[in-house]
Amino acid sequence: DADVTQTPRNRITKTGKRIMLECSQTKGHDRMYWYRQDPGLGLRLIYYSFDVKDINKGEISDGYSVSRQAQAKFSLSLESAIPNQTALYFCATSEPGQGMSEAFFGQGTRLTVV
Amino acid sequence: GENVEQHPSTLSVQEGDSAVIKCTYSDSASNYFPWYKQELGKRPQLIIDIRSNVGEKKDQRIAVTLNKTAKHFSLHITETQPEDSAVYFCAASIDDYKLSFGAGTTVTVRA
Repeated sequence: DADVTQTPRNRITKTGKRIMLECSQTKGHDRMYWYRQDPGLGLRLIYYSFDVKDINKGEISDGYSVSRQAQAKFSLSLESAIPNQTALYFCATSEPGQGMSEAFFGQGTRLTVV
Repeated sequence: GENVEQHPSTLSVQEGDSAVIKCTYSDSASNYFPWYKQELGKRPQLIIDIRSNVGEKKDQRIAVTLNKTAKHFSLHITETQPEDSAVYFCAASIDDYKLSFGAGTTVTVRA
């Protein structure tokens, strides 16, 4: 089945380290997103991309960067990880405009910064 | 940007009873309102959505209502079952543009 795959699923890293979270999809969607989930705060948008040449900041982009290497790949980087970036991170894809606006989420990456 | 508020943050209901979750949004231009269900340890999944040209939509035991004037929308789950226990998120967007999510409601269905 077409899916959205995130790697790694779990990661513990030290403060100040650079870390990359990867997302790949086989759904053929143009739109890809990175969300962060924290208890009591819901899902907050970090970055989004509507095609390979289009990258946009979300509501909480500070401390993060992204790369859209191909239509199917969208990576999130923490240049210098800090403890308050400990969270559950979700990648998502969508293909609106055809009456189908559902966002399909990856399995999530649980990141702990110590 | 869009601000979506969701209430309550937790909801405990007896099996068979109804559950109602309410959300408000700030941007009157928002026209797409999905609801996602996230079971423990799983990814969020769409359960129902509504567009601004519709006031109500039903799918078996779940329904969503939208009041554009008041800028609020609600999720109704009838005849709740244990498998309805999960975190539910509302969201809003303009023209299927980026989604803004509410903070989530943890629903517990007591047997």
